[in-house]
Amino acid sequence: DAGITQSPRHKVTETGTPVTLRCHQTENHRYMYWYRQDPGHGLRLIHYSYGVKDTDKGEVSDGYSVSRSKTEDFLLTLESATSSQTSVYFCAISPGTVNYGYTFGSGTRLTVV
Amino acid sequence: SQQGEEDPQALSIQEGENATMNCSYKTSINNLQWYRQNSGRGLVHLILIRSNEREKHSGRLRVTLDTSKKSSSLLITASRAADTASYFCYTQGGSEKLVFGKGTKLTVNP
Repeated sequence: DAGITQSPRHKVTETGTPVTLRCHQTENHRYMYWYRQDPGHGLRLIHYSYGVKDTDKGEVSDGYSVSRSKTEDFLLTLESATSSQTSVYFCAISPGTVNYGYTFGSGTRLTVV
Repeated sequence: SQQGEEDPQALSIQEGENATMNCSYKTSINNLQWYRQNSGRGLVHLILIRSNEREKHSGRLRVTLDTSKKSSSLLITASRAADTASYFCYTQGGSEKLVFGKGTKLTVNP
C-alpha cells in the first residue's frame, strides 16, 4: 500500500523466541497503530503511537511491546512468542484522530510453531 | 473506544445486483467510516461520513447515517465480482483508538 510498508510479509518462528515486526511509513503521519486479525475476532488493537516515543496500550497488549524512535518507524515486538500469537498483523497510520481515514499496510502473517 | 457491529455477517448476490450492509453502534460519534478488505490484504478506506451528514456518495457507493437510530448503511450499486470482499465499519468518537467490528463478507457471483 502506498506510503506504508510492513516487513516481513511472512514469518515462521518457534515458541519462546522474540520476534520483531516493522512498520515503515513515508507519509509523516503522527499516529501509528498495530492490529492483529484472527478469525472470529475481527481486528483488535494491540498498541498505538501518537508521536515519537509516545505509545499506549490497546485491548490485547499482553505479550507485546512497541517502540517508536523515529516518526517513520513503529516496531512491534513479541517478547517470547506463543502459539496464541499466530495471527495476521496489520499496521495503520493516520495524520490525526478526528475525521481522518486510516491507511493500512498489507500485513504480516506470523506463524508460531 | 467504540465499536460498530456489521450486519449481515455474510451476503451473497449476483453480479449487477445491489448490496446493502448495515452498521449499528452504541454511543455518540464524530464520524463513521467504511473499509473494504480483500482476501489476504490490508483494509482500504472507502468513505467517511461525519455525524452532521446524512448521506454521502462515492462512485457506486452510497452511505447513509442515522444518528437517532445509531446506524449506518453501505449500498454498493451494480455490484461486480471485484467487489467480493469483507466490509468493516468503524465509528470514531472521542478516542483515537481504533475498534472494528467483525465485518460483512460479501460474495458477488459472476
